Amino acid sequence: GENVEQHPSTLSVQEGDSAVIKCTYSDSASNYFPWYKQELGKRPQLIIDIRSNVGEKKDQRIAVTLNKTAKHFSLHITETQPEDSAVYFCAARDSGYSSASKIIFGSGTRLSIRP
Amino acid sequence: DVKVTQSSRYLVKRTGEKVFLECVQDMDHENMFWYRQDPGLGLRLIYFSYDVKMKEKGDIPEGYSVSREKKERFSLILESASTNQTSMYLCASSSGVATYGYTFGSGTRLTVV
Repeated sequence: GENVEQHPSTLSVQEGDSAVIKCTYSDSASNYFPWYKQELGKRPQLIIDIRSNVGEKKDQRIAVTLNKTAKHFSLHITETQPEDSAVYFCAARDSGYSSASKIIFGSGTRLSIRP
Repeated sequence: DVKVTQSSRYLVKRTGEKVFLECVQDMDHENMFWYRQDPGLGLRLIYFSYDVKMKEKGDIPEGYSVSREKKERFSLILESASTNQTSMYLCASSSGVATYGYTFGSGTRLTVV
């Protein structure tokens, strides 16, 4: 099955700087890679996703890149703001036999924005 | 506009008790999932279901079972609660076999004493 590794586990950046979170996956057949943001005490929420037929996707200050050859993908947040402080999870869809879209998550990155 | 509802936000149970965690979704989703969340370990899949009465084991099914008698409801059962099952439990749902993201519930923080 799929295995997703995520780095770093904690990240602290100055407000206004950029933050990058990196993930690797093991199943070369995986074709869907979502990113979730979980604010303190709240549920994880999907912030951006990318499918295997594209290499990059942007949504305002957030971008995700995918390198299928190397089996890694990254989240980039530019011009960070205090409200970006949260735990971020990368994930990959398991391409196993099940008919369900089973998603495997990384271990999470706690991002803190320093004022 | 809450879409995935977990019945309890906080729960305290004694070792050996049978515990039921309930999850209901109102989006007519086929797939439902139970994860547990522990610091440094991310979200680990316990069980999932892609249809009524269907279930499949995730990565950490030991000590748990599930029930899905109706499409909108997915229950997680701890047959005999133990202290190592103290955790945050998150329910999620998704639509069909397409590669759509999940909608999560707010979570149930279970403490087993």
